Amino acid sequence: DAMVIQNPRYQVTQFGKPVTLSCSQTLNHNVMYWYQQKSSQAPKLLFHYYDKDFNNEADTPDNFQSRRPNTSFCFLDIRSPGLGDAAMYLCATSGGRTSGLTDTQYFGPGTRLTVL
Amino acid sequence: GDSVTQMEGPVTLSEEAFLTINCTYTATGYPSLFWYVQYPGEGLQLLLKATKADDKGSNKGFEATYRKETTSFHLEKGSVQVSDSAVYFCALSDPNTGNQFYFGTGTSLTVIP
Repeated sequence: DAMVIQNPRYQVTQFGKPVTLSCSQTLNHNVMYWYQQKSSQAPKLLFHYYDKDFNNEADTPDNFQSRRPNTSFCFLDIRSPGLGDAAMYLCATSGGRTSGLTDTQYFGPGTRLTVL
Repeated sequence: GDSVTQMEGPVTLSEEAFLTINCTYTATGYPSLFWYVQYPGEGLQLLLKATKADDKGSNKGFEATYRKETTSFHLEKGSVQVSDSAVYFCALSDPNTGNQFYFGTGTSLTVIP
């Protein structure tokens, strides 16, 4: 089945130690998103890629970076995690190369980040 | 700007009870509307969607109708089950803003046997 995969599901890091979260997709979608979701809150968009074009949200801290080396993979890098960065990180995709941009977003299972 | 206002929870129902979770929206264009469900420790799963006025989305016994006149997209289910316990998010995607998603705050539902 076509899907959005996130690894790892659970990640523990130390305060200030860089961490990378991974997302891959088999949907062949143009657009990939990263969201941060804190407990009992709605997901908050950090940034997205439309193909190779990177789009950062205005209020996303510089501590968060992203890479998309190819269509299938996208990475979230947190350069110096703070305690406030502990959250669930969700990857999502939308759009299809043959059918044009569609608006439904498909989410991965998320990575729960703990900062010690 | 665009926004989604969702009924606050938590909501607790007995099994087989009727469920309504209210959702209203504000949008500059003609958005698509969605309900997503999130089970504990999991990502968001698309539950249903509607892309134009008067469309009804349905899935797994859940329904929601896109009401342009009342700018609403209320989620309903006639008979809930314990397995429906989750957090439900209403969302819109507005083509006028590049299909950016706007989420409601989520409504936690607990169904007790």
